[in-house]
Amino acid sequence: EPEVTQTPSHQVTQMGQEVILRCVPISNHLYFYWYRQILGQKVEFLVSFYNNEISEKSEIFDDQFSVERPDGSNFTLKIRSTKLEDSAMYFCASSDRLYTDTQYFGPGTRLTVL
Amino acid sequence: SQQGEEDPQALSIQEGENATMNCSYKTSINNLQWYRQNSGRGLVHLILIRSNEREKHSGRLRVTLDTSKKSSSLLITASRAADTGSFFCAFLNSGTYKYIFGTGTRLKVLA
Repeated sequence: EPEVTQTPSHQVTQMGQEVILRCVPISNHLYFYWYRQILGQKVEFLVSFYNNEISEKSEIFDDQFSVERPDGSNFTLKIRSTKLEDSAMYFCASSDRLYTDTQYFGPGTRLTVL
Repeated sequence: SQQGEEDPQALSIQEGENATMNCSYKTSINNLQWYRQNSGRGLVHLILIRSNEREKHSGRLRVTLDTSKKSSSLLITASRAADTGSFFCAFLNSGTYKYIFGTGTRLKVLA
């Protein structure tokens, strides 16, 4: 069964450094998403992406964040200058033809900012 | 607040018993999805129910949606120890088109 994959599974970085989290969505899906989950808290929507542009974004998704689909398979989340409070689990998700279709989540990348 | 609330926050049952968890929300929604998460790992999709549907089944799972009460419930019948995990609802706000996750229910099924 096709699945969303994410790399790396764990990323440790120093405060102020840039990180890029990578995702490979399910191949025929058209909508892509990033979420984050701070330890012990609920999952929070960051951004949705369709047709090579951002569809929706949350208040969390400020100028430090950017997303890109650099080729036909990868979907990336870049955090330009990491802060301690960016430490969280970051989940990528994708859905099929409609925004209202089921979202399938990847296993997540645990980001630790020191 | 757009936050989804789930109750109970934690539930502990014996294997074979049924588990019911509830999700409430405050906005108009397009659909509502239930997910399971094991030990801080990825989210596994369980069921999607659309705003014009009232009930859906998938194996041992039964989901109901009451849009007039702005609530949904997930029933797991004949629970197994392997069902242990956290369960989240996520609803699509039909105004903002953003998915909002609930606070989650931690289920523990004792063998």
